[in-house]
Amino acid sequence: DAKTTQPPSMDCAEGRAANLPCNHSTISGNEYVYWYRQIHSQGPQYIIHGLKNNETNEMASLIITEDRKSSTLILPHATLRDTAVYYCIVRNVVGDDKIIFGKGTRLHILP
Amino acid sequence: DAGVTQSPTHLIKTRGQQVTLRCSPKSGHDTVSWYQQALGQGPQFIFQYYEEEERQRGNFPDRFSGHQFPNYSSELNVNALLLGDSALYLCASSFGGGPLYGYTFGSGTRLTVV
Repeated sequence: DAKTTQPPSMDCAEGRAANLPCNHSTISGNEYVYWYRQIHSQGPQYIIHGLKNNETNEMASLIITEDRKSSTLILPHATLRDTAVYYCIVRNVVGDDKIIFGKGTRLHILP
Repeated sequence: DAGVTQSPTHLIKTRGQQVTLRCSPKSGHDTVSWYQQALGQGPQFIFQYYEEEERQRGNFPDRFSGHQFPNYSSELNVNALLLGDSALYLCASSFGGGPLYGYTFGSGTRLTVV
């Protein structure tokens, strides 16, 4: 079963920052937080991952709380092409490395 | 650099038939995972292949089987198809060195069982 909880849907105005929350209150010390997104009719696409420090790449930023029980994915300047389902996933560092998807958050970018 | 390639892109089968789906992993990747995604749901893990062996399996019946070849490509076979097997089947590849690496997904095969 998925170990994360996300809101089913969110809206964001084009050009604004989209902040997608995720709760993972049962995360263990050796589990990373991963984010993927799935644009309609495509396979999921890796966005970013982190353990306990905040991370940033060309796509997004990941903010993980100090207790690691929640995180936020930030898309700094959302465009219409960011409309997708966003999945927050926790995943073991060693051994069991399969990805278990939950229901994700459907992000609508409004023009 | 080619990503993950899946074939065919679409397929229509009749109940009771058998189907084989194919996946070529991203260059440099040696691990292949298969997922089933029903309409409106998140992908569900079927199984994962590494070094030509099934390494992990999700909660799917034995009608679902797979194979990995020496060149790391993989096949998913489903026997005795049911209407409920209609879904998008996704293949993901990764480097078996550990979960620090993200998965690369293909665009999937849309299977319709009638």
